Amino acid sequence: GNSVTQMEGPVTLSEEAFLTINCTYTATGYPSLFWYVQYPGEGLQLLLKATKADDKGSNKGFEATYRKETTSFHLEKGSVQVSDSAVYFCALTALTGGGNKLTFGTGTQLKVEL
Amino acid sequence: GAGVSQTPSNKVTEKGKYVELRCDPISGHTALYWYRQSLGQGPEFLIYFQGTGAADDSGLPNDRFFAVRPEGSVSTLKIQRTERGDSAVYLCASSFQGGSPYEQYFGPGTRLTVT
Repeated sequence: GNSVTQMEGPVTLSEEAFLTINCTYTATGYPSLFWYVQYPGEGLQLLLKATKADDKGSNKGFEATYRKETTSFHLEKGSVQVSDSAVYFCALTALTGGGNKLTFGTGTQLKVEL
Repeated sequence: GAGVSQTPSNKVTEKGKYVELRCDPISGHTALYWYRQSLGQGPEFLIYFQGTGAADDSGLPNDRFFAVRPEGSVSTLKIQRTERGDSAVYLCASSFQGGSPYEQYFGPGTRLTVT
């Protein structure tokens, strides 16, 4: 079956530090990969996605590259801000007759301090 | 425009009671998904609707859980004989179509607490 493994949190960084949140996956077929973010008190929002190998998704200074050879989709940002504090979820979908259901990792909480 | 809405935002019920959770998707979205998120975990898939029909209900944990979408818009997740283990945040998401990696838009969730 499909599964997603991401690094445990919480991750605590100082403002302007470099961020990496690791994500690896197991899937049959050719999945699409996503990062979702959940800000405090808000619903899940799509942050970025990549639909095929070597694609790079990017948004709001975050980026992640779909690495088929290492089955990874690590999230990076060069300089985090306090406003980036949130829970980040790596997810995949492998298109089947069941549509687009997402398989999520357990989430990584990021805390950015001044 | 209006996003996905879910009601109620919080529901506290006693063990053994019946509950209904409602989801209003974004207008025009034909695909609708229910997920359940337990504390400290990622969301887990429950059921997927394409239009009025449940195209995939493989994530429903047992026959106490049932969902409907009679007119292809609003959906209701129904839980019979609730158990304490059902306590979680129930999330609804909709997307334009189910058959492509279109973005799923999530609602704020319903926090269910079974006492």
